[in-house]
Parts: sequence; structure tokens; C-alpha cells
Amino acid sequence: GENVEQHPSTLSVQEGDSAVIKCTYSDSASNYFPWYKQELGKRPQLIIDIRSNVGEKKDQRIAVTLNKTAKHFSLHITETQPEDSAVYFCAASIKEAGTALIFGKGTTLSVSS
Amino acid sequence: GAGVSQSPRYKVAKRGQDVALRCDPISGHVSLFWYQQALGQGPEFLTYFQNEAQLDKSGLPSDRFFAERPEGSVSTLKIQRTQQEDSAVYLCASRTGIQETQYFGPGTRLLVL
Repeated sequence: GENVEQHPSTLSVQEGDSAVIKCTYSDSASNYFPWYKQELGKRPQLIIDIRSNVGEKKDQRIAVTLNKTAKHFSLHITETQPEDSAVYFCAASIKEAGTALIFGKGTTLSVSS
Repeated sequence: GAGVSQSPRYKVAKRGQDVALRCDPISGHVSLFWYQQALGQGPEFLTYFQNEAQLDKSGLPSDRFFAERPEGSVSTLKIQRTQQEDSAVYLCASRTGIQETQYFGPGTRLLVL
């Protein structure tokens, strides 16, 4: 089955710096890769996703890149702000209905002002 | 519109007790997933429903775990004879039959003493 590895497990940056979180997946059939942000005690919330027919996607300060050949995908946050502090999870699945998301173990991002 | 809701938000059970956790998905969402999130970990898949049919229960850790969605809307996850290792946050997610995005509920935090 699918396995998703996520690095680093913790990341501390200064406000205004960039943050990069990397994930690898094992199942070449996976074609949908969402990123979720989870604040302490709150629900996971989707912040951006990418499908395997796209190499990069941007939404304001957030971007995701996908390398299908290497089975890597990454989250890039620019101009970080204290409110970006949270746990970030990458996930992989096959986008057809009925396929569960396989999550990485999460990255705790701390942005200090 | 209303998001995914779950109840109770917190549950404390004595070892050996049975518990029932409820999920109200977004209205009209065909697909419903249950995940278990241990402390400091990513969510792990438990089971999947398409309408009222339970199509995948491969993630249920033991036969003490049972889930149902009898009318294709509200779902209940039942854990019989709870054990300390069942302590976790139980997340419910729903999605339409077409779009890939899974929307998560706030979770039920279960503590088994």
C-alpha cells in the first residue's frame, strides 16, 4: 500500500522567511496530493492541493510542487507570519471516490516574530 | 454552509466501556471516511462509506470497532470494550462523489482510563 514520508518533523523560522516541507510517496498510482493545516485542537483544513497532471500550483503565499518521476512533492510558504504556526500534513491518494488519504506524520512549523 | 460536525467533542471512558461517536457530514456528500489520529501523528484511515454502503473497513484495528451509516447521512463509529490504546482523536471527513477534497470534522477526543 501507499506510504508517505514527511520531513522535517519540526521547522522553526523567523517571520518573513520562507518555509519548505517535503514529502515522498511510494505508490506510483497516487494522483492527488493535498496539504492540510491543523492548529492545536482544531480540525485539519485543506490549504492547497495538486493533481498529478500539474507540476506546480500557487495560491498567494503558498505553493506546491510535484515531481512524479521522483515521487516527491513539497509545500512552500513565503513571507511567513506568526499565524502560519501550526502542524502541516501532506497526504496522497488516488482521486477516484472511495480512496482514503494516506498522511505523512506532520511538520510542526513555528514562526517567531 | 454547515461543515462536518462531530459529537461528542470529548469522551472519557473507563476501560471496558462501550462508546459511540457520531458524525454529521456535509449535506449531500456521498462519501464519508473515519480516521484515527494518535497524539503527534497524522490521521490514519479506519473505514469508508459510499452512501449507506461500507465499502472499505480495512483500517479498523480490531473487531471491537464497528461503523454504520444506515441512511447514507449520519454515521456512527462504535468501539466496544474500550482499551487504553484506543485513546486518540477520531476524525470524520466527507466529500462529494466527484471532487477529491475531503472536509474534516473537529474530531472526538477519546480518553480511555
